[in-house]
Amino acid sequence: DIQMTQSPSSLSASVGDTVTITCRASQTIGNYLNWYQQKPGKAPKLLIYGVSNLESGVPSRFSGSRSGTDFILTITSLQIEDFATYYCQQSSTTPRTFGLGTKVDI
Amino acid sequence: QLQLQESGSGLVRPSQTLSLTCDVTGDSIINGGYSWTWIRQPLGRGLEWLGNIYHSGTTSFSPSLESRLTMSVDASKNQFSLNLTSVTAADTAVYYCARVTTVGRGDCFDYWGQGILVTVSS
Repeated sequence: DIQMTQSPSSLSASVGDTVTITCRASQTIGNYLNWYQQKPGKAPKLLIYGVSNLESGVPSRFSGSRSGTDFILTITSLQIEDFATYYCQQSSTTPRTFGLGTKVDI
Repeated sequence: QLQLQESGSGLVRPSQTLSLTCDVTGDSIINGGYSWTWIRQPLGRGLEWLGNIYHSGTTSFSPSLESRLTMSVDASKNQFSLNLTSVTAADTAVYYCARVTTVGRGDCFDYWGQGILVTVSS
């Protein structure tokens, strides 16, 4: 199975900050990398698919990119509603696998 | 607006079978281009993909669960289902159903149900 390693596992930030979360795959996954946001007691929500494509309705302060083997989720001008846990997920091979998550709190 | 809703038993005895159904509203489950999936999340932990099912009935399962897992589609009811046999406490989790949208050669989970907590306990 492809292991997805996210860093950091948690971070503290303030409203207005820019936050970056990194995800690295244990094997090559091409550009088949998605990002999800999950709030407590809720289902995950798709934010970005295919590394950098913003899902419809997701604010433009969320962006995704790739730098070598690292996949990066950036949230600019953090809003109160952005405090949540974020997961990366690869769709290159079966089984689909997720990172362990990055909790963004105040 | 597409909506998914899980239903089924919230308490399953050890060694028994966990059975869940996902009702899909807002679109036909046999609409081409999509498949359907189950994902679970033990409380306080990360997400685990269980498998996909296409409207044709073709399935793709996680190798770690393949021997205990079946999925099916009922187009007449616009729903799909999950059966997991021989459950143990390790199968206790929130189970989500979701739609799978193909993106190039990959895919993503773009619509999710609210989740249903299933506890395995005697």
